[in-house]
Amino acid sequence: NAGVMQNPRHLVRRRGQEARLRCSPMKGHSHVYWYRQLPEEGLKFMVYLQKENIIDESGMPKERFSAEFPKEGPSILRIQQVVRGDSAAYFCASSPPMRDTQYFGPGTRLTVL
Amino acid sequence: SQQGEEDPQALSIQEGENATMNCSYKTSINNLQWYRQNSGRGLVHLILIRSNEREKHSGRLRVTLDTSKKSSSLLITASRAADTASYFCATAVSNFGNEKLTFGTGTRLTIIP
Repeated sequence: NAGVMQNPRHLVRRRGQEARLRCSPMKGHSHVYWYRQLPEEGLKFMVYLQKENIIDESGMPKERFSAEFPKEGPSILRIQQVVRGDSAAYFCASSPPMRDTQYFGPGTRLTVL
Repeated sequence: SQQGEEDPQALSIQEGENATMNCSYKTSINNLQWYRQNSGRGLVHLILIRSNEREKHSGRLRVTLDTSKKSSSLLITASRAADTASYFCATAVSNFGNEKLTFGTGTRLTIIP
């Protein structure tokens, strides 16, 4: 059973460009979470999704950020018009229904030039 | 201070010694989890302790939870070089699983061979 997959592992964007981060949950996991980690800090929750539904987006910035988890395919975290402050590691986690433990992917390290 | 703060922020010990890290939190919780993060990698789940539990063991790991003090400790016995990593506590408040985790700021553990 493959773990949580994230791609790309590293992403470099110039200010103003768009960043798309992908996450494929573990097989059988219908719940996906996105977290952001700034250098030398802990992870901060961004959004929690189930298939075709956003359950909790209380950690998402109001502008430029969006997330989806379509019926088919990976979950996507999209950042429009990136700024230098968006540079961070973005982690995706997944879990099966009614479970507390979240399984994390290796992360995508976004660098905005 | 924020929900989930570990102390110390950094800890260096000799291989073979025991390492103790502490985590404090502010709100009532359903469970508390400890994760390990190796440099530049994703998080690995170590152990989960529920609010009605006081102590839990897993291999060389021992976790305690004191809900009256809103604190937890992680003890790693007989440390090894491979234990060098950052350790984070994370809390969940729901009884039903599948919710966001609130992470602490982490303890960076260095094991000196």
